[in-house]
Amino acid sequence: GENVEQHPSTLSVQEGDSAVIKCTYSDSASNYFPWYKQELGKRPQLIIDIRSNVGEKKDQRIAVTLNKTAKHFSLHITETQPEDSAVYYCAAGGNNRLAFGKGNQVVVIP
Amino acid sequence: GAVVSQHPSWVICKSGTSVKIECRSLDFQATTMFWYRQFPKQSLMLMATSNEGSKATYEQGVEKDKFLINHASLTLSTLTVTSAHPEDSSFYICSASTGTSGRALDTQYFGPGTRLTVL
Repeated sequence: GENVEQHPSTLSVQEGDSAVIKCTYSDSASNYFPWYKQELGKRPQLIIDIRSNVGEKKDQRIAVTLNKTAKHFSLHITETQPEDSAVYYCAAGGNNRLAFGKGNQVVVIP
Repeated sequence: GAVVSQHPSWVICKSGTSVKIECRSLDFQATTMFWYRQFPKQSLMLMATSNEGSKATYEQGVEKDKFLINHASLTLSTLTVTSAHPEDSSFYICSASTGTSGRALDTQYFGPGTRLTVL
């Protein structure tokens, strides 16, 4: 089955700087790559997703890039704010299944 | 739109009892619902996938007789933890999508989760 690796496990950034989280996946058949943000004790919230027919997608301060050849995709957060502090999960899937990475704890230092 | 609710939000039960958790899609019809388990500071682990009107598909290592899943309608799926033990204590989260197997995956919307503590 699909195996998703996420790096780094923890990331601290100064407020206003950019944060980048990278994920790799193993199954070349995966065609859907969402990113979720989860605050402590709360549900995962979809923040952005990308499908395999595009290489990049942007939504305000958040962008995702996908390299299908290399089987990796990345989340970019620009102008980070304290409220961006959370655990971020990448996922990869196809045929209505998602495999999640282990999560990345992002800490934005005011 | 795309709101998923879960009930209860937390439950404490004695070892050996059964607990039922409900997952509802409030403003859309969910062809497929998923049940995940999340231990503290760990990732989401898929337990099973359920499609309305058919039997759930369980992930390897998940006991189908212990974790009973019923997807009776397009807006409701239930997870029953039978004969619960302390090691079943966890955060159980459901998600719902309109996708069906064989198609490009549709977005999964998560419920708020249920904190289960088995004494």
